[in-house]
Amino acid sequence: GQQVMQIPQYQHVQEGEDFTTYCNSSTTLSNIQWYKQRPGGHPVFLIQLVKSGEVKKQKRLTFQFGEAKKNSSLHITATQTTDVGTYFCAGWPYNDYKLSFGAGTTVTVRA
Amino acid sequence: DGGITQSPKYLFRKEGQNVTLSCEQNLNHDAMYWYRQDPGQGLRLIYYSQIVNDFQKGDIAEGYSVSREKKESFPLTVTSAQKNPTAFYLCASSIPRDGYTFGSGTRLTVV
Repeated sequence: GQQVMQIPQYQHVQEGEDFTTYCNSSTTLSNIQWYKQRPGGHPVFLIQLVKSGEVKKQKRLTFQFGEAKKNSSLHITATQTTDVGTYFCAGWPYNDYKLSFGAGTTVTVRA
Repeated sequence: DGGITQSPKYLFRKEGQNVTLSCEQNLNHDAMYWYRQDPGQGLRLIYYSQIVNDFQKGDIAEGYSVSREKKESFPLTVTSAQKNPTAFYLCASSIPRDGYTFGSGTRLTVV
């Protein structure tokens, strides 16, 4: 069945450094979405990518959708303590009526 | 303001009891979903509904039941058949192929 794999599972980052989390699907996706869950909170929708090769930015966050529409990445520059949380990618397959979530990357920041 | 309301925020269940978690949305979304999240883990789909009076099992439906009698409401019952129900339960809704809006969740504990 449809699977979305996300790596790394944990990311420990020094404040001010950059990092990237990666997402790979076993099948082609109609779109891919990213969510952020703060500790103790609920997932919040960040962004959706639809087009092959699409790149979108939100301040220090850069989201990319692969050319084959099977992989995506989230790159955060100059990490801040406000970036702490778990980032989930979620892919919407063409032949399904629901998202397939990755396992998430949990980010901790060292001040 | 539009959104999803989950209640209660905290729930304690005795062994052998059935409990029902409430999920109400005023976003006019057709699709609604229930997820379970264990500590440090990702999101596992319990049930989903694409339209009123219709719902499908997700990956971990055993020990759970749902109903979808109204567009706005998608309650989840955790039955006594669910042997390890302690978890964080998240409800979400969406329009087709769009981002999910999550509720703030219910933390269920067996006492």
